[in-house]
Amino acid sequence: GQNIDQPTEMTATEGAIVQINCTYQTSGFNGLFWYQQHAGEAPTFLSYNVLDGLEEKGRFSSFLSRSKGYSYLLLKELQMKDSASYLCAVTDSNYQLIWGAGTKLIIKP
Amino acid sequence: IAGITQAPTSQILAAGRRMTLRCTQDMRHNAMYWYRQDLGLGLRLIHYSNTAGTTGKGEVPDGYSVSRANTDDFPLTLASAVPSQTSVYFCASSEGASGQETQYFGPGTRLLVL
Repeated sequence: GQNIDQPTEMTATEGAIVQINCTYQTSGFNGLFWYQQHAGEAPTFLSYNVLDGLEEKGRFSSFLSRSKGYSYLLLKELQMKDSASYLCAVTDSNYQLIWGAGTKLIIKP
Repeated sequence: IAGITQAPTSQILAAGRRMTLRCTQDMRHNAMYWYRQDLGLGLRLIHYSNTAGTTGKGEVPDGYSVSRANTDDFPLTLASAVPSQTSVYFCASSEGASGQETQYFGPGTRLLVL
């Protein structure tokens, strides 16, 4: 079966760094996405990785290791507005996205 | 530019009733999707359309139907609602259907079936 695993909840302090991990087992792999979803709102795109390595975009970076079925999202200089759920999704062999349940990130002052 | 709009924003529905959730995009995207999101679960694909005139079944299609008569609109119909269809429904679109394009989401419809 297909499976995406993420921690359910994480807590971090304003100004700090947090790493959210995602492991996946899917039928085929055609890329991995990270989305941000604030409570009561729609998911919005953060990053996309299809090759191994680190993609940096401002305060957010995403890493992929295809051989390990592993990705992480790194958030630096945390701000209160970063409190949200972070969704990991993998494109499978049918070119459809398989979604993890999301990691709820709580930022404390 | 509105992006993707969904209607209604929320709805309380009696079991057994028929309901159509509306979705319209103005980005001229080829692919559109319907997901449901339930607490503790990831987004689950109900139906999708890679281009106008075509539709396909996702992971959880039972009890739902869709049509794609034109590029902009992708309505989702619940023929006879059941309480297990209580959920938040998101419509999304992407420029292509390769699975490597960003999906853009509508604001969602919160549906309660009693």
